[in-house]
Amino acid sequence: GQNIDQPTEMTATEGAIVQINCTYQTSGFNGLFWYQQHAGEAPTFLSYNVLDGLEEKGRFSSFLSRSKGYSYLLLKELQMKDSASYLCAVKGFTGTNAGKSTFGDGTTLTVKP
Amino acid sequence: GAVVSQHPSWVICKSGTSVKIECRSLDFQATTMFWYRQFPKQSLMLMATSNEGSKATYEQGVEKDKFLINHASLTLSTLTVTSAHPEDSSFYICSAREEGGLDTEAFFGQGTRLTVV
Repeated sequence: GQNIDQPTEMTATEGAIVQINCTYQTSGFNGLFWYQQHAGEAPTFLSYNVLDGLEEKGRFSSFLSRSKGYSYLLLKELQMKDSASYLCAVKGFTGTNAGKSTFGDGTTLTVKP
Repeated sequence: GAVVSQHPSWVICKSGTSVKIECRSLDFQATTMFWYRQFPKQSLMLMATSNEGSKATYEQGVEKDKFLINHASLTLSTLTVTSAHPEDSSFYICSAREEGGLDTEAFFGQGTRLTVV
């Protein structure tokens, strides 16, 4: 099966850097996604990692270590609008999980002035 | 990025009635679409995988006779909540991947807030 863990809540200050961790245990792995979701809205895509290493995209970066079953999302120069829930999702590769994404419970980030 | 349109954005219905939610890929063809349900302060739970031209694949615990899915074309999938009850009140979200595209991101519709009274 799929098991995904991420912290429930985090708080950071405007202008700072925050790292949101995600660990996963899966029966098959075909990529890891990070999504941002504001309250009452659908998730929006932030990043996709399938190979080990760091992917940088503007203020957001995502890291993956497949051997450790670990990923993090790094947000730099935090802005108030970054207050949202951040979802880690793993896409399955084999069997009944093939092609499907399993989501973690999300990390609610609050950015304070 | 690609656009997925979901309609309606919100709906209120009486208990016992049925509600249809549409999910359209506007600028790409989607062989596969996914339907999720999200309760307040919880994550997205996959309900079913909608396959164009064939029956949907439902996740364990999801009643296929209650949540009817039709994927009649490469750009449209519908979810019908039949005989809705207050416990069906939730945020329903669809996502779609582009046919033949890289095995990357799925694009989400804007979601439908269903309230059953």
